[in-house]
Amino acid sequence: DGGITQSPKYLFRKEGQNVTLSCEQNLNHDAMYWYRQDPGQGLRLIYYSQIVNDFQKGDIAEGYSVSREKKESFPLTVTSAQKNPTAFYLCASSSTPSLAGYTFGSGTRLTVV
Amino acid sequence: GQNIDQPTEMTATEGAIVQINCTYQTSGFNGLFWYQQHAGEAPTFLSYNVLDGLEEKGRFSSFLSRSKGYSYLLLKELQMKDSASYLCAVRDQNTNAGKSTFGDGTTLTVKP
Repeated sequence: DGGITQSPKYLFRKEGQNVTLSCEQNLNHDAMYWYRQDPGQGLRLIYYSQIVNDFQKGDIAEGYSVSREKKESFPLTVTSAQKNPTAFYLCASSSTPSLAGYTFGSGTRLTVV
Repeated sequence: GQNIDQPTEMTATEGAIVQINCTYQTSGFNGLFWYQQHAGEAPTFLSYNVLDGLEEKGRFSSFLSRSKGYSYLLLKELQMKDSASYLCAVRDQNTNAGKSTFGDGTTLTVKP
């Protein structure tokens, strides 16, 4: 079955470390997205990509970086410049334009220790 | 930009009907989505509206009025498993981008 896989499910980061969250999809979707969710809040867009080798900043891109070298993969790096990285990170994909919304991965819960 | 408002919390009784409202103010509009999110899990797609009117899908229906910047999600014959957060999301007018802005979600608690 097609789907979108995020790993790891839980991640602990020390102060000053960079960490990379993985996101892979086999849905043949062109567009991929990274959102951050804090407790009791909605999703805020970090980065998105419409096609391979191209990506755009979302509303809260500072302290994050991405790459899109393959259609299937859209990894997110949380850098040490991100001062408050503890959150639930969700990767999503969609066909463009989509009448079926996003397909989400199961999420990565990042905690700074 | 997009501004999306939903009630924070709602409570309803098993077997009843509940309506969750969403209002939006946007610089562009290319569709409105509703998602369901159970605690600790990823959101799942429920419905999509781009034209005015009602879309029905089983126990769930969604309504859109573009002139009023208003949508609602209607859940009928509530079940305990419907206890979740319901997220309203508006898609950017740039069709190729496909990106959506989300409201903060409405936490629905279904009681026996």
